[in-house]
Amino acid sequence: DTGVSQDPRHKITKRGQNVTFRCDPISEHNRLYWYRQTLGQGPEFLTYFQNEAQLEKSRLLSDRFSAERPKGSFSTLEIQRTEQGDSAMYLCASSLTRTSGQGEAFFGQGTRLTVV
Amino acid sequence: AQSVTQLGSHVSVSEGALVLLRCNYSSSVPPYLFWYVQYPNQGLQLLLKYTSAATLVKGINGFEAEFKKSETSFHLTKPSAHMSDAAEYFCAVSRFGNSGYSTLTFGKGTMLLVSP
Repeated sequence: DTGVSQDPRHKITKRGQNVTFRCDPISEHNRLYWYRQTLGQGPEFLTYFQNEAQLEKSRLLSDRFSAERPKGSFSTLEIQRTEQGDSAMYLCASSLTRTSGQGEAFFGQGTRLTVV
Repeated sequence: AQSVTQLGSHVSVSEGALVLLRCNYSSSVPPYLFWYVQYPNQGLQLLLKYTSAATLVKGINGFEAEFKKSETSFHLTKPSAHMSDAAEYFCAVSRFGNSGYSTLTFGKGTMLLVSP
């Protein structure tokens, strides 16, 4: 499978716990994005990387959220002290820089987080 | 700033009927526009994109969309609906920021229901 891979697919956690999600992009893609999708809404941009550099972070990304992309390969998104409002689908996408502006982003299947 | 508005959170059609999903955009720069489809508990799949080459854009699964600058619209159509088209559809615009076109801004989505 050469698509974008996300792990885990589902995560249930208790409020206050920390969680970490992983995304493996398509191998030659240098851009990697994180989006969040809540029920009944479209995906909302959180942050993106070009290689290992985090180029932009949304105001949605509070201090409890941190994302990394060491060595420009896979990425992790960590949420500390989870709250019920963090329950959502977290989508990862990747693209090539030369086509990213044209929306050629390939999405993974997402990680569904439920905070109880 | 760029944004999209999708009219109608749900659209119901009969199998074989015309599908029309509406999207209007707002952009202060020439827009790049996209339609994505999302099946239950899945990521997003690119259906088609407008990148200024042609105003009528053909995509996968028999879908097409027409860019109308005068109406700031990018409606998605399919002549004959199939049961397998039942899914949620998202219109998106490529956001233009400090580093050029980068991430996507999505509409809230339209759920397409197809009845036999």
